[in-house]
Amino acid sequence: EPEVTQTPSHQVTQMGQEVILRCVPISNHLYFYWYRQILGQKVEFLVSFYNNEISEKSEIFDDQFSVERPDGSNFTLKIRSTKLEDSAMYFCASNLEGGADAEAFFGQGTRLTVV
Amino acid sequence: GDSVTQMEGPVTLSEEAFLTINCTYTATGYPSLFWYVQYPGEGLQLLLKATKADDKGSNKGFEATYRKETTSFHLEKGSVQVSDSAVYFCALSRRSSTLGRLYFGRGTQLTVWP
Repeated sequence: EPEVTQTPSHQVTQMGQEVILRCVPISNHLYFYWYRQILGQKVEFLVSFYNNEISEKSEIFDDQFSVERPDGSNFTLKIRSTKLEDSAMYFCASNLEGGADAEAFFGQGTRLTVV
Repeated sequence: GDSVTQMEGPVTLSEEAFLTINCTYTATGYPSLFWYVQYPGEGLQLLLKATKADDKGSNKGFEATYRKETTSFHLEKGSVQVSDSAVYFCALSRRSSTLGRLYFGRGTQLTVWP
């Protein structure tokens, strides 16, 4: 069964360093998302990506964040200069149809720890 | 703004007990409502959904009914199993959304003991 794959499962980085979180969405999907969950808090939307451009982003997704789909397969989230408060579980998701009723398929998450 | 509030966990039950996890929402218009589940070591996966008022979503013995009058979408199961141990997330998507952005609650950890 096709699945969304995220790597690494756990990343530890020093404050101020750049990190890239990687995701391989399901191959025929067209809509791509990043969410994050700070420990004990809600899962929060970061960004959606469709047709090779950002469709929507939340207020969390500031200039320190960027996304890319460099090769039609991978979907990456880059944090340019990490802060302690970026420590969270980051989830990648994709779906085929978009829209309010569409089922999103999620990866298992990358736990980012900024020290 | 749009938001979801779900019952604080963790919830610990014995096998065959009845489960309710409460979820209420705030939204503009009439959203679609979802329950996602995350088993240990896996990604979130859709458990069930309802797209309009009074719809009942069901899957794997779980049910939830879209109640517009109480803005709720409570998850229920009549007899839980050890294999139901997981984190359960309530979520909504705006009907006006063409992009499928989801608004989630915090998640509720369920542990079922044999």
